[in-house]
Amino acid sequence: LAKTTQPISMDSYEGQEVNITCSHNNIATNDYITWYQQFPSQGPRFIIQGYKTKVTNEVASLFIPADRKSSTLSLPRVSLSDTAVYYCLVGVNAGNNRKLIWGLGTSLAVNP
Amino acid sequence: ETGVTQSPTHLIKTRGQQVTLRCSSQSGHNTVSWYQQALGQGPQFIFQYYREEENGRGNFPPRFSGLQFPNYSSELNVNALELDDSALYLCASSWGRDNEQFFGPGTRLTVL
Repeated sequence: LAKTTQPISMDSYEGQEVNITCSHNNIATNDYITWYQQFPSQGPRFIIQGYKTKVTNEVASLFIPADRKSSTLSLPRVSLSDTAVYYCLVGVNAGNNRKLIWGLGTSLAVNP
Repeated sequence: ETGVTQSPTHLIKTRGQQVTLRCSSQSGHNTVSWYQQALGQGPQFIFQYYREEENGRGNFPPRFSGLQFPNYSSELNVNALELDDSALYLCASSWGRDNEQFFGPGTRLTVL
C-alpha cells in the first residue's frame, strides 16, 4: 500500500529552524518529491520540489537521501506566518497507473 | 495572468444526485489534477488530466469521472452521491504532470 508518513504536528518558536521529515518508501523511480503549505480555507501552495540531494529556494531547503525513501523540508528562521499545515507529495506507480500520494500533513505551530 | 478558478464555490446536494464541478486552469497550463479533501485531512488524489487524456487515477470508484477540454479547463462529475462525498474538492493546474501545481480555492460540496 503506497503511502507517505510525516509527523502529525510540530511546535516551534519564531526565529528557529524547523525540519519536517516525510517517509515515502514506494516513490516512483522517476518522480519528484514536492512539498506544499496550506492555510485554513485555502488551497495548498507550492513550497519546493526536488528529485535528489539538496534543493534550496528563497523560502526553504529540501534534503533527499540517495535512496529517496524520505525527504526533509527545512524552514529557516520561521515566523508566526509560517503556522500552517505542510504536506509532502510523491508520485507512485501502480502497474500502468500513476498516483499522486499526499501525506496526512504536519501541522506546524510557531509561537512568539 | 489569471489563476485557477473553480465553480461553484459551495454546493448542497442530496444523496443519489449527480454533481458537476468546474475548473479553469491557469493560462499556459496543460495539466489538471483533482483532489478531495475531507475536513482535517490531506488531499486525496482523484485523477489527473494531461492534454485531454487521463494521466493517472487514485482510489476512487468509477462514479467519479472527469473531462479535460481543448482549452485545458476541466470538469469533475460525481454520480450517485453518497454522504461521504461531502468534502472540499480542489482543482490544481500545472505545466506538465510533474511540475508545481497551482490550486484553486475549491468547491465545498455537502451531501445531505
